[in-house]
Amino acid sequence: NAGVTQTPKFRILKIGQSMTLQCTQDMNHNYMYWYRQDPGMGLKLIYYSVGAGITDKGEVPNGYNVSRSTTEDFPLRLELAAPSQTSVYFCASNPALALYNEQFFGPGTRLTVL
Amino acid sequence: AQKITQTQPGMFVQEKEAVTLDCTYDTSDPSYGLFWYKQPSSGEMIFLIYQGSYDQQNATEGRYSLNFQKARKSANLVISASQLGDSAMYFCAMREALIQGAQKLVFGQGTRLTINP
Repeated sequence: NAGVTQTPKFRILKIGQSMTLQCTQDMNHNYMYWYRQDPGMGLKLIYYSVGAGITDKGEVPNGYNVSRSTTEDFPLRLELAAPSQTSVYFCASNPALALYNEQFFGPGTRLTVL
Repeated sequence: AQKITQTQPGMFVQEKEAVTLDCTYDTSDPSYGLFWYKQPSSGEMIFLIYQGSYDQQNATEGRYSLNFQKARKSANLVISASQLGDSAMYFCAMREALIQGAQKLVFGQGTRLTINP
């Protein structure tokens, strides 16, 4: 099992550019999440999905879009990058039933918008 | 809404000493779960330990244990016999229910632990 994988690891964008952060999990988890971590802070939820075709907003969804066409993939789209979106982005997943329901995190994508 | 407070921005401890990282929480739900994650300098989030609100005993996982005091709404992480590899950022988190069984994690601001040789 590769677990949760994210690409790219690092990216620099110019203001107004667009990009898609990729997230894939091979654990057949129903639930997937996108968080962002600003410097010196804890993580905040951007969007989440309860299964293919079903997504919903988290705390900080503005400026982002998501889709979930398969169980494995949950890409995050930035349409018009802004400096406020400079952050580290984590994708996470967890199964429907588990002892602790802990979330399994990907390695993160460090994004800088200049 | 749930809230997590970690009041220690940084801690410095000598190798082999025990260390306690503080975490207090606020929730009106009678059923809740608390997590601790470790984030080393490489950036990944590593799950350490979990405590459920109805668990009768404090959780333990190897050198990690939770000092869970429900009346005080605190869930402090205790690391025994600290090692240099324990140097990292530590986050306390609480799960909050979303739609259809999904649960988000509400994180504290973290404590940066440095182990000195």
